[in-house]
Amino acid sequence: DGGITQSPKYLFRKEGQNVTLSCEQNLNHDAMYWYRQDPGQGLRLIYYSQIVNDFQKGDIAEGYSVSREKKESFPLTVTSAQKNPTAFYLCASSWAASSYEQYFGPGTRLTVT
Amino acid sequence: AQTVTQSQPEMSVQEAETVTLSCTYDTSESDYYLFWYKQPPSRQMILVIRQEAYKQQNATENRFSVNFQKAAKSFSLKISDSQLGDAAMYFCAYRSARSGSEKLVFGKGTKLTVNP
Repeated sequence: DGGITQSPKYLFRKEGQNVTLSCEQNLNHDAMYWYRQDPGQGLRLIYYSQIVNDFQKGDIAEGYSVSREKKESFPLTVTSAQKNPTAFYLCASSWAASSYEQYFGPGTRLTVT
Repeated sequence: AQTVTQSQPEMSVQEAETVTLSCTYDTSESDYYLFWYKQPPSRQMILVIRQEAYKQQNATENRFSVNFQKAAKSFSLKISDSQLGDAAMYFCAYRSARSGSEKLVFGKGTKLTVNP
């Protein structure tokens, strides 16, 4: 089955710890994205990558880092510098051309206490 | 910067009835794409329908259709014959057609309740 997987579904961390959220796709999409969703808010873009070994900051990149070493994988690290990391994180992918819609993974709920 | 506004935080509809969700957007571009996404309680984002700005014809997907008014920058979603499974958050999203601007800009969403 083609699709996007995110693991784990729920993640708990102590404040001050870095944590990495995984995102894998087997759709052969060129572009991948990370969004953050807070209650009562739409999705906000954290980082995106259009090709391997290249990525760009989105609207709320501070406190986050990413890598794109393989086409299929786009992990997101939430660092201790992120002031309010508790949120729902969604990964998406698409073909690079802007007309193509983005396909989303099931998301990871991160809780930091 | 582009913005997307959904003015109805919550809507409700009776099963089998029709409901319209509103969306307006602000952009200076002439070429772009608009989308409606559905987010059920599982929180998986699912594409409902998309519209290319250069097309005058409104997009339709089964019971879902849009009313795209480019001059008014309005993009409403009509759900006909509402079903219990339509209950979800609905997000309107904008995507520029300009190369290098592939990100989606989302509205804050409308929570749709379907009453039996």
